[in-house]
Amino acid sequence: NAGVTQTPKFQVLKTGQSMTLQCAQDMNHNSMYWYRQDPGMGLRLIYYSASEGTTDKGEVPNGYNVSRLNKREFSLRLESAAPSQTSVYFCASRPEGSPEQYFGPGTRLTVT
Amino acid sequence: QKEVEQNSGPLSVPEGAIASLNCTYSDRVSQSFFWYRQYSGKSPELIMSIYSNGDKEDGRFTAQLNKASQYVSLLIRDSQPSDSATYLCASTPNTGNQFYFGTGTSLTVIP
Repeated sequence: NAGVTQTPKFQVLKTGQSMTLQCAQDMNHNSMYWYRQDPGMGLRLIYYSASEGTTDKGEVPNGYNVSRLNKREFSLRLESAAPSQTSVYFCASRPEGSPEQYFGPGTRLTVT
Repeated sequence: QKEVEQNSGPLSVPEGAIASLNCTYSDRVSQSFFWYRQYSGKSPELIMSIYSNGDKEDGRFTAQLNKASQYVSLLIRDSQPSDSATYLCASTPNTGNQFYFGTGTSLTVIP
């Protein structure tokens, strides 16, 4: 039982490049989340998915797209990376009927 | 104004003392509250959740919730150097889809 896994762990992009951050959970959770964490800003919700096939915007969705591929996987895509997207990205999942989230190890993204 | 506010610290306490971390929230819709611990370079780890007014104890940790004052706190008794981390306060309405995190309080326990 790996919990929540994220790939890659580290990534450096140039401005304008695109990439997809992958997240998978093996706990059979319905809800999944993408956050970014910046110094002094705390964790901010980018997008979430309450169930397979549904996605909704969070607090800071601009510049990002998401795909809930199946119940296990929830990916975050940056179509044209900008330096303002330099951050640590965390994926989380939550079981049905419980408000408690479980976080993945994070992806450190630098955009130059 | 952020939904959840925390004093960023840093907070320093001697080993064996009680560490007190505080959090206020602005949305009266928020119903569930959480404390996460985050070590440097690691992901947040849930350590306490509290849903109703009063105190909830788990080992050395006690969470306190006062909905009238919109205030949540975490007490760590017999603080250990291993408790040195950033503590994040979070809230969510009953739907559990939108979560709001504070910026975190950095705690250092001095041996």
